[in-house]
Amino acid sequence: EVQLLESGGGLVQTGGSLRLSCAASGFTFTTYAMSWVRQAPGKGLEWVSAIAGSGGSTDYADSVKGRFTISRDNSKNTVYLQMNSLRAEDTAVYYCAKVWSTGYFDYWGQGTPVTVSS
Amino acid sequence: EIVLTQSPGTLSLSPGERATLSCRASQSVSSSYLAWYQQKPGQAPRLLIYGASSRATGIPDRFSGSGYGTDFTLTISRLEPEDFAVYYCQQYGSSRFTFGPGTKVDFK
Repeated sequence: EVQLLESGGGLVQTGGSLRLSCAASGFTFTTYAMSWVRQAPGKGLEWVSAIAGSGGSTDYADSVKGRFTISRDNSKNTVYLQMNSLRAEDTAVYYCAKVWSTGYFDYWGQGTPVTVSS
Repeated sequence: EIVLTQSPGTLSLSPGERATLSCRASQSVSSSYLAWYQQKPGQAPRLLIYGASSRATGIPDRFSGSGYGTDFTLTISRLEPEDFAVYYCQQYGSSRFTFGPGTKVDFK
């Protein structure tokens, strides 16, 4: 059974940093790209970042480029999202998702909330 | 960047009725890269349809997807009480993933 378990969310001040983690199990981790998708309160889904199975390729939404860094540790079956220079508009639930080869998200974690406040 | 537009924003229906949800892309999207998700309050999204028309594992056959190019449709043939939720379309292209704004299906 595929499981994705996010952690690391919380309350942080504007301009601060936070690192999210997503522990994966139930599939061959290195075979699949992984992604982060967020959802601001009462809003829709927004893709944030993705990383290839090997970790050799990463992509970011324009809204977070230069501030967020995605990485993965394939020895620990874990993907990370380092978030720096946080803004109020980064407040959201952050979901970790497994990416199928044709670009859809077939499994999702339960989400971890991030609140950025002054 | 491809922009997805969903209509209507809200669809008010009764159980047993048919729901037709539209997703329109600003540029042509490969059908292979078009998916639909269902999200209920307080829950993570769930994959319903991938490749524009293939049902994900465990999804009832009352859910169907169709379309190509710039116009895609999600149809729920007969609404069950558990189907009242928000539905998102999503596409992948040029190393970018984009979601539509969602259609809420609620009780009439």
